[in-house]
Amino acid sequence: GAGVSQSPSNKVTEKGKDVELRCDPISGHTALYWYRQRLGQGLEFLIYFQGNSAPDKSGLPSDRFSAERTGESVSTLTIQRTQQEDSAVYLCASSANAGLNSPLHFGNGTRLTVT
Amino acid sequence: RKEVEQDPGPFNVPEGATVAFNCTYSNSASQSFFWYRQDCRKEPKLLMSVYSSGNEDGRFTAQLNRASQYISLLIRDSKLSDSATYLCVVISQGGGSYIPTFGRGTSLIVHP
Repeated sequence: GAGVSQSPSNKVTEKGKDVELRCDPISGHTALYWYRQRLGQGLEFLIYFQGNSAPDKSGLPSDRFSAERTGESVSTLTIQRTQQEDSAVYLCASSANAGLNSPLHFGNGTRLTVT
Repeated sequence: RKEVEQDPGPFNVPEGATVAFNCTYSNSASQSFFWYRQDCRKEPKLLMSVYSSGNEDGRFTAQLNRASQYISLLIRDSKLSDSATYLCVVISQGGGSYIPTFGRGTSLIVHP
C-alpha cells in the first residue's frame, strides 16, 4: 500500500522567505509526527498530531515554525522568515495511533536549503 | 544527560563478523523500544521492535534490560548490505503524550 508521502522532496529558498512542507500520512494512521535532521545529526522532534490536535508542540524551535493537520490526514509544516540554520531534512512519520506499541513509518523527507 | 544515548561509532567490521550495539535511556518509565536503520541520505526504516523477553529476526537479535535501562542489537554473520546507521527509539508516556525519542545512531561499516 502507499506509504508516507512528502512534498516537495527538495526546496531551495532565500533567507527571509516562507516555506510550506507537506505530509500525506498512511491512510488510517491517526498519529503524525514531524522531525528535523540536520546534516550528520540525529532526529530532533518538532511536533506531533493525534487526529487533528497537537498535544505536544514543545519541539518547535521558535514561533517562526507552525504546523497544522486537517481531516486527520494531510499535515503542513510552515516556516516563516527562514534562516540559514533552518537548513535540514524535515521528516514526517505516521503511526496507527500515538501509543506505546505503534512504530513510526517515515516519508522520504523534504531537504530544505536556505541560501 | 541525553534521554537516549548511543555510541556513534563507526563500528568497522569484516563480512561474517558478529557485532553488537547498545543504547541507554534515562527515563525509567519508558515502555516501548524499537531499532531503526537509516541509510545515507535516506529516511529511517523500522528494523524491529524490542520485546521484554528479547526477540530475534533472522540474523538480528534485540534485547531489553530494564534494570540497567538499555537495549541492545546483535547482528550475526554481517553482510556488506548491513552497512548503515542504526537508531534506537524509546517511547515514553508523559502528560498523556507519547513521544518517540531517537538516539543519534551508531554507524556500522561492513567491509569485504
